[in-house]
Amino acid sequence: GEDVEQSLFLSVREGDSSVINCTYTDSSSTYLYWYKQEPGAGLQLLTYIFSNMDMKQDQRLTVLLNKKDKHLSLRIADTQTGDSAIYFCAERTWEGGYNKLIFGAGTRLAVHP
Amino acid sequence: DGGITQSPKYLFRKEGQNVTLSCEQNLNHDAMYWYRQDPGQGLRLIYYSQIVNDFQKGDIAEGYSVSREKKESFPLTVTSAQKNPTAFYLCASSTSGTATEAFFGQGTRLTVV
Repeated sequence: GEDVEQSLFLSVREGDSSVINCTYTDSSSTYLYWYKQEPGAGLQLLTYIFSNMDMKQDQRLTVLLNKKDKHLSLRIADTQTGDSAIYFCAERTWEGGYNKLIFGAGTRLAVHP
Repeated sequence: DGGITQSPKYLFRKEGQNVTLSCEQNLNHDAMYWYRQDPGQGLRLIYYSQIVNDFQKGDIAEGYSVSREKKESFPLTVTSAQKNPTAFYLCASSTSGTATEAFFGQGTRLTVV
């Protein structure tokens, strides 16, 4: 079955880089996503990567994909207090003729001065 | 503006009552989803629908029901059979097929009193 795992908590100093890691199990996943959730709000898509890529950069965000190890990471450069949130990794799988998104439990990022 | 709207933002239910959570989208998306979020557990899929008048059970469908009579609307009913309904509920939508992302509503927090 599908499973997406993340560490639950990360604390970084303002201005440092943050790296959030994720592992997934479905080798047939076509897209992998990073979502951000601020308190009491819905999820906002940050970035995604197609499974035939190994890196994607978008301003302060860098996504690395190691398909062999089924490992995905999100690096946030120059982390700011506004980056404090929960970050979810998700994989898109195809099951029974339908697309499904499978989410990890989320990593709570705390940014301190 | 295009988007996905959930209502109400907060909902209180007495034990034994059914309640219905609203989800409406004007993005012309075919697919819609309901997720439940509990602290430390990430998002779990309740139901999803790829087209009008069709929907499938997700991982935790027991105690919930849905309908998809219109493309724009995917209401979720939390029935009295759901023994632990207090949670944050998130609705999402996406284009089907080669969709690259899902858009989320702002969520409904349901509390049993």
